[in-house]
Amino acid sequence: NAGVTQTPKFQVLKTGQSMTLQCAQDMNHNSMYWYRQDPGMGLRLIYYSASEGTTDKGEVPNGYNVSRLNKREFSLRLESAAPSQTSVYFCASSGLTGAAYYGYTFGSGTRLTVV
Amino acid sequence: AQKITQTQPGMFVQEKEAVTLDCTYDTSDPSYGLFWYKQPSSGEMIFLIYQGSYDQQNATEGRYSLNFQKARKSANLVISASQLGDSAMYFCAMRASGNKLVFGAGTILRVKS
Repeated sequence: NAGVTQTPKFQVLKTGQSMTLQCAQDMNHNSMYWYRQDPGMGLRLIYYSASEGTTDKGEVPNGYNVSRLNKREFSLRLESAAPSQTSVYFCASSGLTGAAYYGYTFGSGTRLTVV
Repeated sequence: AQKITQTQPGMFVQEKEAVTLDCTYDTSDPSYGLFWYKQPSSGEMIFLIYQGSYDQQNATEGRYSLNFQKARKSANLVISASQLGDSAMYFCAMRASGNKLVFGAGTILRVKS
């Protein structure tokens, strides 16, 4: 099925460990995003990539790095995980819809726990 | 800075009744888009409805309608004939500069039988 695929779905890390969350979309969208969701705070933007070859910081970029590997793939890396990074992470992509507005498609999320 | 405010942390509604979820927004951009998403307990983000800032009519999608009051900067979601399956978290969001999506804190809706 067309959409946004995130891996892994669940992950437990120890403080100080590193990991990379993978995201791929098959809708030929130019823009891709990484969000984190914490209780009571909605989704907050970590990083985004408006087009292949560009990345920009969002609202909460500290402790994260991203790579736009190609048009399809946008990865999020935690170099040294901290308990404050325990969250649910969503990848999303956006592009023009059939109704001619920019729609956003979300992956199913990654539940990350840092102990 | 663009901002979305959802002032209702939680709402209850009786099955088959209508419910309104509030959303106000702040932006200085003349062109913007407003979205509502549903997040059930399973966690996925489900797109419900979209309203463009230049759209003359309020958006409707089945049982969902968006009450867009541009002067008041509000974009309330109305769900008619509530069903038990409507119990979920609902997020209002706005397309901001750079095509980023800015979210509100969300409203948890519980439908009672």
